[in-house]
Amino acid sequence: DSGVTQTPKHLITATGQRVTLRCSPRSGDLSVYWYQQSLDQGLQFLIQYYNGEERAKGNILERFSAQQFPDLHSELNLSSLELGDSALYFCASSPGQDTQYFGPGTRLTVL
Amino acid sequence: GQNIDQPTEMTATEGAIVQINCTYQTSGFNGLFWYQQHAGEAPTFLSYNVLDGLEEKGRFSSFLSRSKGYSYLLLKELQMKDSASYLCAGKALSAYSNYQLIWGAGTKLI
Repeated sequence: DSGVTQTPKHLITATGQRVTLRCSPRSGDLSVYWYQQSLDQGLQFLIQYYNGEERAKGNILERFSAQQFPDLHSELNLSSLELGDSALYFCASSPGQDTQYFGPGTRLTVL
Repeated sequence: GQNIDQPTEMTATEGAIVQINCTYQTSGFNGLFWYQQHAGEAPTFLSYNVLDGLEEKGRFSSFLSRSKGYSYLLLKELQMKDSASYLCAGKALSAYSNYQLIWGAGTKLI
């Protein structure tokens, strides 16, 4: 158990819908990272927050957005969902810019 | 540019030793991570090398040569539970003194 929690574990929705994925980092970790991993693909970095502020952006679509709240938990919002958005979404946290510890992931299925 | 290369797939037998290579072409790298990921599960941290040389942790060892842009993960006395993907990730300096991890596509060990 890495100490990073993600909810929900599974999410099934329809095309065009909007969903919110939630992540709680390890106690004391200020950085939160979001990744997308499609079936049999590598990790695609989406976005990083540090202590509430956006720090880095990767291959994140305009339909996707994220934020980190004062209590350091983070949410990833995915809108106008398409079939291709079906994937595992991982959140990771780190104290600063050190080792990233991953949550168990949210498996999103868009039908 | 920044790029990480590792073999897509490797096969090995129980009890054997396997070496998974990772090469990177980038400037500003400040260390290299190895993670293990079982299918459908989260990546878990294995090792972090910031200096040249070999670091050993039980059955797993990791090596880094910064001058050659090269790292490897060595797995000894392979067990069935070692069947997984192994991800190599370089820590690279990005904007505003922020470090990011540049991820390889992973090596599936069968």
